[in-house]
Amino acid sequence: GAVVSQHPSRVICKSGTSVKIECRSLDFQATTMFWYRQFPKKSLMLMATSNEGSKATYEQGVEKDKFLINHASLTLSTLTVTSAHPEDSSFYICSAIFLAGRTYEQYFGPGTRLTVT
Amino acid sequence: AQTVTQSQPEMSVQEAETVTLSCTYDTSENNYYLFWYKQPPSRQMILVIRQEAYKQQNATENRFSVNFQKAAKSFSLKISDSQLGDTAMYFCAFRGSRDDKIIFGKGTRLHILP
Repeated sequence: GAVVSQHPSRVICKSGTSVKIECRSLDFQATTMFWYRQFPKKSLMLMATSNEGSKATYEQGVEKDKFLINHASLTLSTLTVTSAHPEDSSFYICSAIFLAGRTYEQYFGPGTRLTVT
Repeated sequence: AQTVTQSQPEMSVQEAETVTLSCTYDTSENNYYLFWYKQPPSRQMILVIRQEAYKQQNATENRFSVNFQKAAKSFSLKISDSQLGDTAMYFCAFRGSRDDKIIFGKGTRLHILP
């Protein structure tokens, strides 16, 4: 089946620095990708919808200047956490939509654990 | 706005037993999709089963089946002959027909006991 990868799988950064997380669809083109955040033992919270070639659509309460999303190609979306703080520590998951005719599938990446010290 | 509610934070059952996870949702749309996802300790999200709202027949996938009650906006998951590998977090999820966003419930942590 289709695979979505994320890189890195885990990252530790210092407070005040920025960190970039990549989400790739490995064997299909994804015009739409989503970014989720998951706190320990909690549900997935949708942060934003990433559309290839256009600006991301952010959910209410998500700071667009804090979480920069770039969907530069049909197989790659990036999430950059800018000026990271310890409260940004979380598990970030992306998903990508596969569309073929009437077939719709949403595939999830394995997630990236971010720790801000 | 759509909401998804899972009222059972945690459940435990013995191996080989049958367990039912509850889910209710709220929407004003008539056409939509419902899902159950499994998140094992690896944290990889795995699609367990899906149901299109326009289909009256309940979806089944091997040991997994749903009880979809559209009028009641209820979408429960039944796991038959539970196995140790079924231990995971289970999320009920909703996708409307107007966009592709998937909204998740808070999850039910399921423990299968040997």
